[in-house]
Amino acid sequence: SQQGEEDPQALSIQEGENATMNCSYKTSINNLQWYRQNSGRGLVHLILIRSNEREKHSGRLRVTLDTSKKSSSLLITASRAADTASYFCATVPSQGGKLIFGQGTELSVKP
Amino acid sequence: GAVVSQHPSRVICKSGTSVKIECRSLDFQATTMFWYRQFPKQSLMLMATSNEGSKATYEQGVEKDKFLINHASLTLSTLTVTSAHPEDSSFYICSASRGWQLNTEAFFGQGTRLTVV
Repeated sequence: SQQGEEDPQALSIQEGENATMNCSYKTSINNLQWYRQNSGRGLVHLILIRSNEREKHSGRLRVTLDTSKKSSSLLITASRAADTASYFCATVPSQGGKLIFGQGTELSVKP
Repeated sequence: GAVVSQHPSRVICKSGTSVKIECRSLDFQATTMFWYRQFPKQSLMLMATSNEGSKATYEQGVEKDKFLINHASLTLSTLTVTSAHPEDSSFYICSASRGWQLNTEAFFGQGTRLTVV
C-alpha cells in the first residue's frame, strides 16, 4: 500500500479539549506534512516538518516527528467546533517527487 | 497561500463518454502537479504525477490509457477520464507544487465530484 497509517480513525471530543492524532509511515522521508479537509472539499496545508526537525509549532498546532519510529503526531490544543474536519498526514520520500497520504483521522469537536 | 483552481467542481456524465478536468495554478508556476482520487470516507490515493513538458508518471494499478494526463504548461494540467464507467465515479483532486522535490507545501484544488450514470 502506498499509504501510511493514522490513528485514531475517528476522534470525538468536547470544545476546549486537546486532540492528538498519530501518523506512521513506511519509507525514509524528506519531510512530513499535515493537511486538513472539510467534507467534500480540497485540502488545506497546516504544517510541514522536515526530517531533521523533531518538533514544530504553529498557533494551536504542535507537530512532532520521530524518524527512528517513522511516526508523527499532530496536537490541536483548545479545540473549537470549527476544527471539525478530517486530518491527513502526507509524506515526501527522501528522493522527492511524490506526496503520499495517510488514511486520515476524522475529528469531531462538539460545542 | 497560492491558489489552485480546479474545474468543474461537479460533473455528471453518461457511461462511455469522456470527461476532462482542469487544474490551474493561478499565481505561481507549477512544475509538478499531482492527481488524486478519493472514495467516500477514505484517504487520497495518488494516481499520477505530471511534470510540465514530460509524460506523466502513473502509480501502480492506474490505467494510463483510461486516465489521460496532460501538463502542457506551467499553469495547467488536465485529467481526462476516457470511456467513463460507473466505477469511475469518485472525487478527483489535483495539487500543484513549485518543485518536484516538494520541500514546501503543495496547494490543492477544490476537487471534482464525478458521477457516471
